[in-house]
Amino acid sequence: KAGVTQTPRYLIKTRGQQVTLSCSPISGHRSVSWYQQTPGQGLQFLFEYFSETQRNKGNFPGRFSGRQFSNSRSEMNVSTLELGDSALYLCASSTTGGGTGDIQYFGAGTRLSVL
Amino acid sequence: AQSVSQHNHHVILSEAASLELGCNYSYGGTVNLFWYVQYPGQHLQLLLKYFSGDPLVKGIKGFEAEFIKSKFSFNLRKPSVQWSDTAEYFCAVRIQAGTALIFGKGTTLSVSS
Repeated sequence: KAGVTQTPRYLIKTRGQQVTLSCSPISGHRSVSWYQQTPGQGLQFLFEYFSETQRNKGNFPGRFSGRQFSNSRSEMNVSTLELGDSALYLCASSTTGGGTGDIQYFGAGTRLSVL
Repeated sequence: AQSVSQHNHHVILSEAASLELGCNYSYGGTVNLFWYVQYPGQHLQLLLKYFSGDPLVKGIKGFEAEFIKSKFSFNLRKPSVQWSDTAEYFCAVRIQAGTALIFGKGTTLSVSS
């Protein structure tokens, strides 16, 4: 079974630009969560989608948005990039998204550098 | 707000030494607990998990963790570390069904041969 696939693996953007990251979950998984990982801060939760609906949202500004398609693939978008947005963005998928016994499986991440 | 604390930011050990990484969370109800590991250049992998039952759980690669409810702790242990255990370790908690995982800031383990 293929794992969680994130594309692209690396991105370099400049301040003010926008970026879209993509995540394909494990087949059969309906929940996709996004995290921002930075040195010293660990993983900070961005949002979670389940069956095309945003079910949970972290404490990030509105510049960060996402969506999920009917095939469970998800995208996240960051508009008006700032230097502080440089990070590893991780996607995780699970079957039910937070139910008892639910386990999240992570992709390799997209490393975004904002210059 | 609920939080997860990993007290050790960076741990340095020699091969064959014993390991214990601390994890404490701030929530008094039923929790799901996880330890994930991120080896250099690799994606996060699940080491072990606790949902209910026996508070001593065993994971992959000889790791185990003990859930102590009275201490709100879920410490990770390994009796004898190897150089290949060099990685970053994250503790995570889910405080109720349908909510997001809350991660600690991670502990970097460096094992010298």
